[in-house]
Amino acid sequence: QKEVEQNSGPLSVPEGAIASLNCTYSDRGSQSFFWYRQYSGKSPELIMFIYSNGDKEDGRFTAQLNKASQYVSLLIRDSQPSDSATYLCAASESEKLTFGTGTRLTIIP
Amino acid sequence: DAMVIQNPRYQVTQFGKPVTLSCSQTLNHNVMYWYQQKSSQAPKLLFHYYDKDFNNEADTPDNFQSRRPNTSFCFLDIRSPGLGDAAMYLCATSSEHGNEQFFGPGTRLTVL
Repeated sequence: QKEVEQNSGPLSVPEGAIASLNCTYSDRGSQSFFWYRQYSGKSPELIMFIYSNGDKEDGRFTAQLNKASQYVSLLIRDSQPSDSATYLCAASESEKLTFGTGTRLTIIP
Repeated sequence: DAMVIQNPRYQVTQFGKPVTLSCSQTLNHNVMYWYQQKSSQAPKLLFHYYDKDFNNEADTPDNFQSRRPNTSFCFLDIRSPGLGDAAMYLCATSSEHGNEQFFGPGTRLTVL
């Protein structure tokens, strides 16, 4: 069974610091990886996706992928209180996504 | 703006009373998905359509049905809702295999 594992948190980070969110996946056939942000009571919002090994940067967000270790991470620089949310990691082999249960991130002002 | 729309945003139904949730999209995506998400859990895929091809997940109860009359619309029918079906129901779309999925705002279902 395909699994995506995340530390449920909560992860508390001071405002302005770097938040580091981690994710591991079990299916070596997974080719695409996604990070979604979900505010309480709202739907998931796509933050970033990554297909290739290495880093991908978009503004304050950097996604990192290591397929050999089956590991995906998301770094949030200069964390803001508005970044407080649950972050879902997802892996895709075909048109379906397997989601982790999410990490709850709290940015402390 | 291109988007995924879900109606209603909140639905209250009685135990055993059928309910239909709707999803529409202006993205012209050929894949549409229905997820169920309960509190502090990952979204759980119920089924998806690739164009008109229906794909049911093995563990989706028979109580859940879906229709996709055209590219833009998709419906989730819950034939006899139980208390355990209370959840957020999320519709998502994507344009092709392996591509990112875009979610609608969700419908919060309450079963009394």
